[in-house]
Amino acid sequence: EVQLLESGGGLIQPGGSLRLSCAVSGATITSSVMSWVRQPPGRGLEWVSSISGTGTRTYYADSVKGRLTISKDGSKSTLFLHMDRLRADDTAVYYCGKGTAASTLITAWGQGTLVTVSS
Amino acid sequence: DIQMTQSPSTLSAVVGDRVTITCRASHSIDTWLAWHQQKPGKAPKVLISEASRLRSGVSSRFSGGGSGTEFTLTISNLQPDDFATYYCQQYKTFSTSFGQGTKLE
Repeated sequence: EVQLLESGGGLIQPGGSLRLSCAVSGATITSSVMSWVRQPPGRGLEWVSSISGTGTRTYYADSVKGRLTISKDGSKSTLFLHMDRLRADDTAVYYCGKGTAASTLITAWGQGTLVTVSS
Repeated sequence: DIQMTQSPSTLSAVVGDRVTITCRASHSIDTWLAWHQQKPGKAPKVLISEASRLRSGVSSRFSGGGSGTEFTLTISNLQPDDFATYYCQQYKTFSTSFGQGTKLE
């Protein structure tokens, strides 16, 4: 069974930085597209970023381009999201998701980690 | 970017009903469409992929259809556990996107 466990969320001031981690077990992340999806309080799902199986291709939503960086460490089966210049509208539960070998279809979700950007 | 629009936003039903949720894509996505179910305070769970393929362990009361730009999710014989919010997801492109959600109450 594939399991994903996010960590690293918390309260951060506007303009600050944070790094989220997603530990994956039961699957090889170097063989899968991996994604981050967020959900602001009381709202719907919003795609944030994806990374190819090899890690050579990355994709970002316009709202986070230039501020958030996705990466992964295959040897540790861990996905990361480095977040810079955080804004109040980045406040959300952040989920990591495992895709297939060639698509962003999310076949398994983590339980989510809450990021709150506030002074 | 491909925009996904779901209707209705809220759907009222009772146990035993048969309900249908619609998802429309701004451009053709063939059958690269999934449906996810989310309960309050929980992570989403994938129900259907490739528009109509039921994922392992998902009840056969759920069915999906459509292709191109218009898709449906139908739930037959509603059970109490089905009252949740449902999202469609297109994955034709790496810049995936979700519908705004349909709350089944």
